[in-house]
Amino acid sequence: QKEVEQDPGPLSVPEGAIVSLNCTYSNSAFQYFMWYRQYSRKGPELLMYTYSSGNKEDGRFTAQVDKSSKYISLFIRDSQPSDSATYLCAMDSSYKLIFGSGTRLLVRP
Amino acid sequence: GAGVSQTPSNKVTEKGKYVELRCDPISGHTALYWYRQSLGQGPEFLIYFQGTGAADDSGLPNDRFFAVRPEGSVSTLKIQRTERGDSAVYLCASSISGTSDIQYFGAGTRLSVL
Repeated sequence: QKEVEQDPGPLSVPEGAIVSLNCTYSNSAFQYFMWYRQYSRKGPELLMYTYSSGNKEDGRFTAQVDKSSKYISLFIRDSQPSDSATYLCAMDSSYKLIFGSGTRLLVRP
Repeated sequence: GAGVSQTPSNKVTEKGKYVELRCDPISGHTALYWYRQSLGQGPEFLIYFQGTGAADDSGLPNDRFFAVRPEGSVSTLKIQRTERGDSAVYLCASSISGTSDIQYFGAGTRLSVL
């Protein structure tokens, strides 16, 4: 079993929809939780970085962490075609990032 | 300022050949990381440098893989006797100091071993 599990998708939604992306993890030692966005043939780009349980909002993006359930989520409001990319969750094991396999998102105009 | 730069962006080689992949981190970042990303997967950790020294190389798959960072800035990932299974995108990241810092990624080198 992988330390971080993420549904690979693809997830296809119409423009303007609310998108929910999720990851589960097994290692309770993880303290920092991140969401990266990766466009085709590009490197991962950090979207959200959270430490504790709870919500963090940045524009159209909200990251949610539930440490008791070992479950993290990323919500995208008013999704745009430019949001079409692969979204990777990642967890910090001191200095080493442990990534999920990524969820492909397609936002249809 | 410039982000993390990786060269070449693409590398095609034949089985058994030697390759070098280069990473230029963000200026002033002391920590540097190499990851490998296979198709449809998330990046997997290979090695972590703090300054000039490899603080953790536990992710290197075998002794054909080696990385250096002689002056604490540019790093080179070296792969000897390449195999078809080495085909992947090799990503480099850097961060200000290391533990729990935000890691900034380059665009990667896409290695194809024929």
